[in-house]
Amino acid sequence: GAVVSQHPSRVICKSGTSVKIECRSLDFQATTMFWYRQFPKQSLMLMATSNEGSKATYEQGVEKDKFLINHASLTLSTLTVTSAHPEDSSFYICSARVGVGNNSPLHFGNGTRLTVT
Amino acid sequence: AQTVTQSQPEMSVQEAETVTLSCTYDTSESDYYLFWYKQPPSRQMILVIRQEAYKQQNATENRFSVNFQKAAKSFSLKISDSQLGDAAMYFCAYRSVGGGGSEKLVFGKGTKLTVNP
Repeated sequence: GAVVSQHPSRVICKSGTSVKIECRSLDFQATTMFWYRQFPKQSLMLMATSNEGSKATYEQGVEKDKFLINHASLTLSTLTVTSAHPEDSSFYICSARVGVGNNSPLHFGNGTRLTVT
Repeated sequence: AQTVTQSQPEMSVQEAETVTLSCTYDTSESDYYLFWYKQPPSRQMILVIRQEAYKQQNATENRFSVNFQKAAKSFSLKISDSQLGDAAMYFCAYRSVGGGGSEKLVFGKGTKLTVNP
């Protein structure tokens, strides 16, 4: 079945540095990928929608210059947290849609726990 | 904008018994999708069941079934014969049918389910 691979699963970085998180669709082409953020004991909040070959669409309140999204191919989207700060520490999850139809299911990656010290 | 409300932060059930998790939502759309996702301690988001709003018949997947009340905008999840492996966070989610970036999932805040042996 369809699998979404997210890497790394955990990352610790120092304040002020940048971190890149990869989301790959392993056996299908993903025209659209979604990046979510989940704080402890809270729900998933959509950060942005990543479309292959075009600019990402960011949700209100999400800084596009801080959370850079690149969807350069049909199997890879990356989220780069630039100049990370401790408040950026969170769990980041990507999901990818199989196909373009309204019925096409979403598959989730295993998530990345980011800790900024 | 659509909203999803899960009024039960935590629920518990005895193994082999039945439990119902509540979910209500708000939308002005007539056609949409509703989902229940399970998030175990591994943090992997797992699709439990989905319902298309245009279908009157309640969706069923083995021990999992829903009670979809469109007029009341209610979408509860019933877990029968509860198993220890059912312990997890359960998220109710809404997705629009239309295009233009409306395919994103809107999640409720989740219900933590504990299964007691």
